[in-house]
Amino acid sequence: QVQLQESGPGLVKPSGTLSLTCAVSGGSISSTNWWSWVRQSPGKGLEWIGEIYHTGITDYNPSLKSRVTISVDKSKNQFSLKLSSVTAADTAVYYCARRPGSFDYWGQGTLVTVSS
Amino acid sequence: QLVLTQSPSASASLGASVKLTCTLSSGHSSYAIAWHQQQPEKGPRFLMKVNSDGSHSKGDGIPDRFSGSSSGAERYLTISSLQSEDEADYYCQTWGTGIHVVFGGGTKLTVL
Repeated sequence: QVQLQESGPGLVKPSGTLSLTCAVSGGSISSTNWWSWVRQSPGKGLEWIGEIYHTGITDYNPSLKSRVTISVDKSKNQFSLKLSSVTAADTAVYYCARRPGSFDYWGQGTLVTVSS
Repeated sequence: QLVLTQSPSASASLGASVKLTCTLSSGHSSYAIAWHQQQPEKGPRFLMKVNSDGSHSKGDGIPDRFSGSSSGAERYLTISSLQSEDEADYYCQTWGTGIHVVFGGGTKLTVL
């Protein structure tokens, strides 16, 4: 059973950079999948942020592309998200997920609050 | 641009059945979609993938009460024998080259 676990600071200052890591267990991050980040602002729906393919190819939401970087560390079987120049609008629960086509495994999510 | 449209809310009685709809925007009726369930204060859970021909494949441990179907640009999730734990938000999602990943706005299901 594949499991994903997000980790990172729960509080980020405005204009700073949000950094999260997703540890993958029960499967290899080198398998044929996209590894994705999705967020959910309080009381809102799901928003796809971006993803990285097992080959290292990335794809980002056009509305966030200028601020997002997703990378993978195969030696640690994990992938990461960096979102720069954050504002209060970036306050959300951030989920990592595996996507062979549809999303099939999700992390439990981690709340990140942007506040001074 | 591909858009997925869902009704904001739905309701049905305990023990009854309910059919939720996800509509693909014009020109995209061949796309498969996935259904995800999000119970209150929890993360999303993959339910199933529904193809344009109506065939579907479920995620691990998803009960037989959950089924999927299709008609044209509409994709359906039917939940039978409704239980209290089925009260949740349900999101449809699709993907593809050039369209990235798209979510519907979600349907909040209330079990009466």
